[in-house]
Amino acid sequence: DQQVKQNSPSLSVQEGRISILNCDYTNSMFDYFLWYKKYPAEGPTFLISISSIKDKNEDGRFTVFLNKSAKHLSLHIVPSQPGDSAVYFCAASRTNFGNEKLTFGTGTRLTIIP
Amino acid sequence: AAGVIQSPRHLIKEKRETATLKCYPIPRHDTVYWYQQGPGQDPQFLISFYEKMQSDKGSIPDRFSAQQFSDYHSELNMSSLELGDSALYFCASSSASRGGPFQKLFFGSGTQLSVL
Repeated sequence: DQQVKQNSPSLSVQEGRISILNCDYTNSMFDYFLWYKKYPAEGPTFLISISSIKDKNEDGRFTVFLNKSAKHLSLHIVPSQPGDSAVYFCAASRTNFGNEKLTFGTGTRLTIIP
Repeated sequence: AAGVIQSPRHLIKEKRETATLKCYPIPRHDTVYWYQQGPGQDPQFLISFYEKMQSDKGSIPDRFSAQQFSDYHSELNMSSLELGDSALYFCASSSASRGGPFQKLFFGSGTQLSVL
């Protein structure tokens, strides 16, 4: 049962344009969401997060949008840069349950075309 | 800044052998998580420890065991290895005692286990 889904396994975007990565979840108990970026041969690195009390969080070129009613979140990267090429994982958690693990999506491979 | 250290980076074993993976969390982090990522798959949660006690358990086979030691490092012990155990094993750490969303996990670079 995949509780966090990233339906696009890959995405190619022209350098300078906006990259939009999508993520859906099924567990309504999730209230904290994160995006991780992963380069080959490295562990995932934290990118940006959002709590369910917000619908938007921005950090430089990265913005995460949360639509709780649709159980959907998205990561916008603008402008996209070649160094953004990586696999992006969406993750979700429940903050009211102690040291709660993260549940990951299957990832989206983003390729930025120079 | 110090990150999560995992050793070894690569490990090759044969079926039915045992393996031990080690994880050294970021200093002052009290929670350690183990994840398994098969080829083309999402990281699957195995087990976590908080203050040396098991805090959560996921899809960890009975052949695997783990513990967190007094210095907060953790070891994942895998016995009777099977071909399907070949995967990238990540360790992550976080701090529950610092307040705020401790789900912001910091990951190590992983141990690539190949079972032949």
